[in-house]
Amino acid sequence: ETGVTQTPRHLVMGMTNKKSLKCEQHLGHNAMYWYKQSAKKPLELMFVYSLEERVENNSVPSRFSPECPNSSHLFLHLHTLQPEDSALYLCASSQQDRNGYTFGSGTRLTVV
Amino acid sequence: AQSVSQHNHHVILSEAASLELGCNYSYGGTVNLFWYVQYPGQHLQLLLKYFSGDPLVKGIKGFEAEFIKSKFSFNLRKPSVQWSDTAEYFCAVKDDYKLSFGAGTTVTVRA
Repeated sequence: ETGVTQTPRHLVMGMTNKKSLKCEQHLGHNAMYWYKQSAKKPLELMFVYSLEERVENNSVPSRFSPECPNSSHLFLHLHTLQPEDSALYLCASSQQDRNGYTFGSGTRLTVV
Repeated sequence: AQSVSQHNHHVILSEAASLELGCNYSYGGTVNLFWYVQYPGQHLQLLLKYFSGDPLVKGIKGFEAEFIKSKFSFNLRKPSVQWSDTAEYFCAVKDDYKLSFGAGTTVTVRA
């Protein structure tokens, strides 16, 4: 375990479904991130929350909606996704500028 | 935002061979540099990082990387690989608070 826990590990959803991904960290970090990992492509930064405020939204479609209720929890709400949204969604957290990120194991999402 | 290039898409080598993976980033200034590894079915793990000081950085599992500022490069090396080094390797650059990743290099070590 890395200290960053993501649930569920796997998710299959239809294009009309609504689902949520959950991320939880108990490392005392003050920033959390959502990344999308697709095969043969660089990890794509989707959202950044610092001190529970969203500081980055990298032109992500509105069918992805993040929520950060406190410094330990981060959600990604999914609605009317497309098959091309199938990917591994990674959550990460960090503390202080000079450190790297700690990643969760990811949620493998398949949109059918 | 930084652009990170990893030159090798897939590297196949035998045990005990030496490994070098290239990484270049797009522009200078103060950057923090990282290499992450992702073993099959596992999460991303930090191998090593560079912030300042000695440009030759030693990480876990016998890996090292050299920061060459003039070349905007941060290449990863290991003198003698093992079968267990089979994994995907990602170079990353932190610019301000954003961590930008390369596309990754898949390393396959044959016994």
